[in-house]
Amino acid sequence: DTGVSQDPRHKITKRGQNVTFRCDPISEHNRLYWYRQTLGQGPEFLTYFQNEAQLEKSRLLSDRFSAERPKGSFSTLEIQRTEQGDSAMYLCASSFSSGEYSPLHFGNGTRLTVT
Amino acid sequence: RKEVEQDPGPFNVPEGATVAFNCTYSNSASQSFFWYRQDCRKEPKLLMSVYSSGNEDGRFTAQLNRASQYISLLIRDSKLSDSATYLCVVAGDGYNKLIFGAGTRLAVHP
Repeated sequence: DTGVSQDPRHKITKRGQNVTFRCDPISEHNRLYWYRQTLGQGPEFLTYFQNEAQLEKSRLLSDRFSAERPKGSFSTLEIQRTEQGDSAMYLCASSFSSGEYSPLHFGNGTRLTVT
Repeated sequence: RKEVEQDPGPFNVPEGATVAFNCTYSNSASQSFFWYRQDCRKEPKLLMSVYSSGNEDGRFTAQLNRASQYISLLIRDSKLSDSATYLCVVAGDGYNKLIFGAGTRLAVHP
């Protein structure tokens, strides 16, 4: 399967714990995005990378959230001291940017439940 | 005001019906526009881009009105398989990120 893959598919954690998610984009894609989606809402932009550089981060994103993309390949999203409000589907997407728009290819997502 | 707003839905229509979804966006500098489709418990997938002159892809027609900051999607001859949530999506300057609307749910019944 050469699509975007995310791991784990599901994560249940207790409030206050740290969690880390992984995303493996399509190999030739240079852009990688993280979105969060809650029930009845569209995906909400969190952050994006061009290669290994994190170029934009949502103002709504708490400093408990951090993302990395070492070597411009896979990416990790870490949430520290999780809160119940962090419960959501975390979606990763990738695209190839050459100056014009290229469609985002989404992974299946990681569903986080904070108890 | 949200950056991208859509019809609240849900739309419940019989097979064969024509249905239209509307969307407005707040950033007049937005450059690119799209409709994505999301099936229940699945990831969003690109349905079609929206061009200034309007564009058609089979039973689907997308329109853009930059002056009114308005986007529409028309689905003709609805099929059961069209049942999904349709997300209006706007890209800012430089295609740096896509802003999604909350989505409009469509249910096509026999």
